Amino acid sequence: DIQMTQSPSSLSASIGDRVTITCRASQNIDSYLNWYQQKPGKAPELLIYVASSLQSGVPLRFRGGGSGPDFTLTITSLQPEDFATYYCQQSYSTPWTFGQGTKVAIK
Amino acid sequence: QLQLQESGPGLMKPSETLSLTCTVSGGSMSRSSYYWGWIRQPPGKGLEWIGSIHYSGDTYYNPSLKSRLTVSVVTSKNQFSLSLTSVTAADTAVYYCAGVPFRYFNLWGPGILVTVSS
Repeated sequence: DIQMTQSPSSLSASIGDRVTITCRASQNIDSYLNWYQQKPGKAPELLIYVASSLQSGVPLRFRGGGSGPDFTLTITSLQPEDFATYYCQQSYSTPWTFGQGTKVAIK
Repeated sequence: QLQLQESGPGLMKPSETLSLTCTVSGGSMSRSSYYWGWIRQPPGKGLEWIGSIHYSGDTYYNPSLKSRLTVSVVTSKNQFSLSLTSVTAADTAVYYCAGVPFRYFNLWGPGILVTVSS
């Protein structure tokens, strides 16, 4: 199985901050990397697919980048509704696997 | 717009078989590009992909669950289902049904909490 490692596991930030979350795969996965946002008690929502494609309806402040084993999710200006947990998911080969999550909290 | 809704038991005893159904509404699930899957999340933990199925019956399972798992589809009812045998406390989780492209999930049900306890 391909292991996905996110860093940091949690972070505190203020409204308007630029936030970057990193996801590293245990092997090359080309651009088969997706990002999800999950709020407490809710299902995850797709933000970014194939590394950098923005899902319809997702604000432009969310940006995905990277390829191979290393990827980033950047929120260019953190908004109140962005406080949540973020997960990466590789879709290079089954079993699809997720990172352990990064919780973004209010400073 | 397609919507998903999970249904099934909320409480089970160890060794029983978990059966969950996902109903797809707002359109047909039988389009060639559509895949339907199950993902679970133990309380306070991360996400685990369980398996996915195409309406044609083509299935993909997580090897860690494959020996206990069956995912099936009933296109006439616009439903797909999960069957997981011999459950233990480790199977306690929120179970989500999801879809639609093969490699990622842009559509999710609200989730159903399944607790396994004696």
